[in-house]
Amino acid sequence: ETGVTQSPTHLIKTRGQQVTLRCSSQSGHNTVSWYQQALGQGPQFIFQYYREEENGRGNFPPRFSGLQFPNYSSELNVNALELDDSALYLCASSFSWTGVNYGYTFGSGTRLTVV
Amino acid sequence: DAKTTQPPSMDCAEGRAANLPCNHSTISGNEYVYWYRQIHSQGPQYIIHGLKNNETNEMASLIITEDRKSSTLILPHATLRDTAVYYCIVFRHLPNNAGNMLTFGGGTRLMVKP
Repeated sequence: ETGVTQSPTHLIKTRGQQVTLRCSSQSGHNTVSWYQQALGQGPQFIFQYYREEENGRGNFPPRFSGLQFPNYSSELNVNALELDDSALYLCASSFSWTGVNYGYTFGSGTRLTVV
Repeated sequence: DAKTTQPPSMDCAEGRAANLPCNHSTISGNEYVYWYRQIHSQGPQYIIHGLKNNETNEMASLIITEDRKSSTLILPHATLRDTAVYYCIVFRHLPNNAGNMLTFGGGTRLMVKP
């Protein structure tokens, strides 16, 4: 079985631009979450998608948005990039059924640098 | 979700057992204790989780105190490849995963030395 795949691995953007990050879930997983990890800190929850709808969100502004597709892959979009958006963006997939979560599998992340 | 407290760093000699403590004194009855680790420049990796009973798998053992206010992750024979940041997380399973999220603290930076 394949794990979680994220693309691209590294990205440099200019302040004010928009960026789209992509994630392919692990086979058999139906839920995807996104996390932001600033240098030297633990990952911070951005949002989660289940059945193609956002069903949980952390303390991030609306310019952070996402999509989940029927094949459970996902995108994270960030508009109007700011310098503080520079971070490692992690995608995590999991399987959920009737309230039981069988653990999250993380990708290796996309390193975003905003200049 | 309940907050956790972990020492910021620990050292361990290669081949010895690494015992990583975690305090979660405000944990509620339906919250699980999860452990993840993050090796430099990689995503977090699931290690083990438990509710009340001690658990063991091929990676580690998890010892949860009877009052569930603290736990210890044990790596029985640490290797250099176990050098990583270890995160202890308490997590509640919600219906249909609604609003579930892993709340990462600062973790413990484990350095395994030759």
